[in-house]
Amino acid sequence: QLQLQESGPGLVKPSETLSLTCTMSGGSIRSNSHYWAWIRQPPGKGLEWIGNIYYSGSTSYNPSLTSRVTISVDTSKNQFSLRLSSLTAADTAIYYCARRLGEECHNNNCYDAFDIWGQGTMVIVSP
Amino acid sequence: SSELTQDPAVSVALGQTVRITCQGDTLGRYYASWYQQKPGRAPVLVIYGKMNRPSGIPDRFSGSSSGNTASLTITGAQAEDEADYYCNSRDSGGNHWVFGGGTKVTVL
Repeated sequence: QLQLQESGPGLVKPSETLSLTCTMSGGSIRSNSHYWAWIRQPPGKGLEWIGNIYYSGSTSYNPSLTSRVTISVDTSKNQFSLRLSSLTAADTAIYYCARRLGEECHNNNCYDAFDIWGQGTMVIVSP
Repeated sequence: SSELTQDPAVSVALGQTVRITCQGDTLGRYYASWYQQKPGRAPVLVIYGKMNRPSGIPDRFSGSSSGNTASLTITGAQAEDEADYYCNSRDSGGNHWVFGGGTKVTVL
C-alpha cells in the first residue's frame, strides 16, 4: 500500500529556508499517471496548495509563493522535496505531501484529485 | 482569497441528509474534489470527478455538479461524519489548484 511520509525540521528561524522531504513507500514515484504535491495548513485555517511536480521534474507553483518555493524530485530515492525561502511567521503551518491523480477529461469536463496524503509535519517559524 | 467559496458551517441531525456546496467560476469546466478532515488528521479524499468514490468511502457520500456549483451530499449522516470538508479544483487559469475555505459539519 502506497504511503507518503514527510520529514524535516519542526522549528526554523525567520528569514531562513525550510527544507522538507516526502518519502514514498509501496510504489514508484516514476509514475506516468501521477503528480506529487505539497499542501499546507496554518493552525486553525484552511488548506493551501503550494505546488506540484512530475517525476520528470516539471513543476507548477502557487502564484502567491512562486518567488520563494522550489519543489524537486529524486527518483533514485523515491522522494520529492520542498524548499521555501525567506520564511516569516505566516509560513507556520502543517505541511502535507500528497499524490495527485493525473487529469482525466470526459465530455469537456476534466478532473483530478489528491488521493493519498502524508500524515503532515508541523513547522513553526520562530526566532 | 479563495476562488472557491464554501459556507463556513452547517449542521445536520443524526441520520438526516446534508448538502455542502462549493461555488467557483471554474467548476463549469473542472469537477471539484472533496476532502474530509477530522481534528489532528490529514485530509481524506471522499469524492472526485463526476461522482467517484475512493475505495473505503461509504456510499452515503455522493457528489454532484450544476453550472458553477459543486455539491457534496451526505445521506444519512453519522456521528463519525462530523468534520471539516474542503472542495478543490483549478483556478481560473487552469494551471494551479485552489481549495475552498472549508465547511465545518456538525452532526447533532
